[in-house]
Amino acid sequence: GAGVSQSPSNKVTEKGKDVELRCDPISGHTALYWYRQRLGQGLEFLIYFQGNSAPDKSGLPSDRFSAERTGESVSTLTIQRTQQEDSAVYLCASSSGRGSTLHFGNGTRLTVT
Amino acid sequence: DQQVKQNSPSLSVQEGRISILNCDYTNSMFDYFLWYKKYPAEGPTFLISISSIKDKNEDGRFTVFLNKSAKHLSLHIVPSQPGDSAVYFCAADRGADGLTFGKGTHLIIQP
Repeated sequence: GAGVSQSPSNKVTEKGKDVELRCDPISGHTALYWYRQRLGQGLEFLIYFQGNSAPDKSGLPSDRFSAERTGESVSTLTIQRTQQEDSAVYLCASSSGRGSTLHFGNGTRLTVT
Repeated sequence: DQQVKQNSPSLSVQEGRISILNCDYTNSMFDYFLWYKKYPAEGPTFLISISSIKDKNEDGRFTVFLNKSAKHLSLHIVPSQPGDSAVYFCAADRGADGLTFGKGTHLIIQP
């Protein structure tokens, strides 16, 4: 597709369960970012992938959060043992490199009950 | 500690008038600033940016002003149109990691 695609668009899960969120970046974009937006808050940086370099995981809030990216394509964000405070919209963005415009997907709205 | 602050959660402006959205930052290492616009249930979309070597950048109805000494930037929209109603995020980049975003300002354009 022409834009960043995220799935699912909505996810409701029970506290303690694991969830996996998927992001398909724009083809050819080497940089991929995950952000989350909790209610009433700004966009919080989680993790950044650039090409084959080691990812910048400095924004991950706890060791329950992990992310992978296969080459310069799909990325998955995994949250283990979800907690209610994990409820947020998780946004993925890609760009053609550092300093280039970020193109965001529509996000995955995660609700932990 | 919020490094990028948008102190107005919402702003209401009459159609045709000027909308001014403000943003303050604390980290002097930021060297590139951007504004993103977000409609409900959609991801943010890039609107306009400015490098720290400039104090103004204009694109059609949108102008961004940067005051480095005050660590302040603003987005001016003139004239404001109904389709401008959205949440506007200010973001800053220091080249080290992902963009740092403010909490956003909800702009409402009234007819």
